[in-house]
Amino acid sequence: AQSVSQHNHHVILSEAASLELGCNYSYGGTVNLFWYVQYPGQHLQLLLKYFSGDPLVKGIKGFEAEFIKSKFSFNLRKPSVQWSDTAEYFCAVNARGSGNTGKLIFGQGTTLQVKP
Amino acid sequence: ETGVTQSPTHLIKTRGQQVTLRCSSQSGHNTVSWYQQALGQGPQFIFQYYREEENGRGNFPPRFSGLQFPNYSSELNVNALELDDSALYLCASSLEGTPVAIQYFGAGTRLSVL
Repeated sequence: AQSVSQHNHHVILSEAASLELGCNYSYGGTVNLFWYVQYPGQHLQLLLKYFSGDPLVKGIKGFEAEFIKSKFSFNLRKPSVQWSDTAEYFCAVNARGSGNTGKLIFGQGTTLQVKP
Repeated sequence: ETGVTQSPTHLIKTRGQQVTLRCSSQSGHNTVSWYQQALGQGPQFIFQYYREEENGRGNFPPRFSGLQFPNYSSELNVNALELDDSALYLCASSLEGTPVAIQYFGAGTRLSVL
């Protein structure tokens, strides 16, 4: 069965610190990869996505992620976090191929708390 | 704002009751997916509707059912509610049939089962 694992459940950083959130998935075929963010009291928003091509993708608000196929990983990074980045972050995978719908499989999320 | 609206925002039911949740998809989208998000967990896929037909289902029992209407809006129905059904229910709309579809989420309906 396909699954997504996010290694860090709760991360606390000071402003200007660098961020890296880990995400690994289990699926042997071709995948689409996503990071979503949920700010307090708001809906899930797409941060960035990878479908094909350059494995280093850039998203909104200075976030980027790198797809490493050999490691089944799609880690999220930001060089310098801000207090406004406090939120919950979800990695999600969509398995491509016949018989697969557009369903997203989510990790359990990482709560990021940025201290001013 | 994603243009995906869900109603109601909050709902309290008792065990054994039935509930209907509603979702209006973003303009131009033809597909609606439903997810259940328990507290402290990531969303779990319930099912997807494409052109009014169920197009994939997650590991949820038959008492979870859905509909999609010609205008692409959708309903999620849950019968015989159980305490474990208490969760945030998310609807996401997308345009399937394109090379890659991105799902846009609504704010959710928080269901409490007492």
